[in-house]
Amino acid sequence: GQNIDQPTEMTATEGAIVQINCTYQTSGFNGLFWYQQHAGEAPTFLSYNVLDGLEEKGRFSSFLSRSKGYSYLLLKELQMKDSASYLCAVRDWKTGSARQLTFGSGTQLTVLP
Amino acid sequence: ETGVTQSPTHLIKTRGQQVTLRCSSQSGHNTVSWYQQALGQGPQFIFQYYREEENGRGNFPPRFSGLQFPNYSSELNVNALELDDSALYLCASSPGEATNEKLFFGSGTQLSVL
Repeated sequence: GQNIDQPTEMTATEGAIVQINCTYQTSGFNGLFWYQQHAGEAPTFLSYNVLDGLEEKGRFSSFLSRSKGYSYLLLKELQMKDSASYLCAVRDWKTGSARQLTFGSGTQLTVLP
Repeated sequence: ETGVTQSPTHLIKTRGQQVTLRCSSQSGHNTVSWYQQALGQGPQFIFQYYREEENGRGNFPPRFSGLQFPNYSSELNVNALELDDSALYLCASSPGEATNEKLFFGSGTQLSVL
């Protein structure tokens, strides 16, 4: 099975930078996703990493180290609308369904004015 | 392009009853997955359908069952409801089977079991 750990809550100030960490244990790693979920809404895709390194997309970047079982999501120039839960999810080709995502419990980010 | 839609948005049932939740996948998507999200937790994989066949299942008992129709819409059925089944049920679709494909989620059905 997989263990996915991420902090439960984080708080940051508007305009600042915040890094949300995620560690995982899998037997057949096959990709890591970050999703954003506002309260009462659907999770929306932010990023995908399968190779080591940094993927940048506007104000959001995601980093992966497969040897360390570690990823982070970096949010720059924080805005109030970035207050949401951020979900780290892993694909493992050795699980029951090679296409299923296993999610962490999410990190609730609060952006303060 | 129509997104993933789910119905109903909210539902209240009592223990022992049966429930059917519905999902219309995004246009052009032939893979549908169902997830259960308890309050304060991440989504948990229930099962996945590809071209009307179940092709993966998580750690959920047989009373959780599903269907996918020729138009790729899907149903999740839960029999003999238990209090712990109270959760947000999310449907997600993707274009095919490639493992790098992102999932497109619907807004979910909030099920309360009393």
